[in-house]
Amino acid sequence: GAVVSQHPSWVICKSGTSVKIECRSLDFQATTMFWYRQFPKQSLMLMATSNEGSKATYEQGVEKDKFLINHASLTLSTLTVTSAHPEDSSFYICSARDKGEPQHFGDGTRLSIL
Amino acid sequence: GQSLEQPSEVTAVEGAIVQINCTYQTSGFYGLSWYQQHDGGAPTFLSYNALDGLEETGRFSSFLSRSDSYGYLLLQELQMKDSASYFCAVTGANNLFFGTGTRLTVIP
Repeated sequence: GAVVSQHPSWVICKSGTSVKIECRSLDFQATTMFWYRQFPKQSLMLMATSNEGSKATYEQGVEKDKFLINHASLTLSTLTVTSAHPEDSSFYICSARDKGEPQHFGDGTRLSIL
Repeated sequence: GQSLEQPSEVTAVEGAIVQINCTYQTSGFYGLSWYQQHDGGAPTFLSYNALDGLEETGRFSSFLSRSDSYGYLLLQELQMKDSASYFCAVTGANNLFFGTGTRLTVIP
């Protein structure tokens, strides 16, 4: 149980393109979803926390207008990287949890901006 | 603020035992989690300690001392497939804050 599906797993696109990443909890209700970014050989950095039906809470230094997060249902959250540039190339990982339960991670999305 | 410290790299021999330490400073603490991450993959949950003491799950054990703000992950009977990065993470009220990670290399 507790499966989190994230897609796409790999994206290559041109600079200036907007990219949407989906995160779904398949067999549980995710009251809270989290988005992380990980650069090579570095730790996971929390970008934002989203609760279903409310606005996401962004960590310091994360541009909310660039990284749009929507958590419209208890099983789906999306991260849209708007007008992506090469410096946005990274590994993006979502996780989801129900109240009182551990976080479960998706398989991640490797984003490469040319 | 929050900070976690782990050794950056550890090398150990197949079949041996290795301990990965984690010290933390945090304003809100519910427990300490450990995750394994292979290259190119997502983190996989290993263990969670909310209370002081040792938690054992097969070849993996995790220890927590809240008074010392310290924990460790113990891996026994090391296998080649255990080569990966290991992260400790402080569990807060509603999120996880990850340490810098320890790269474990298991050699024959």
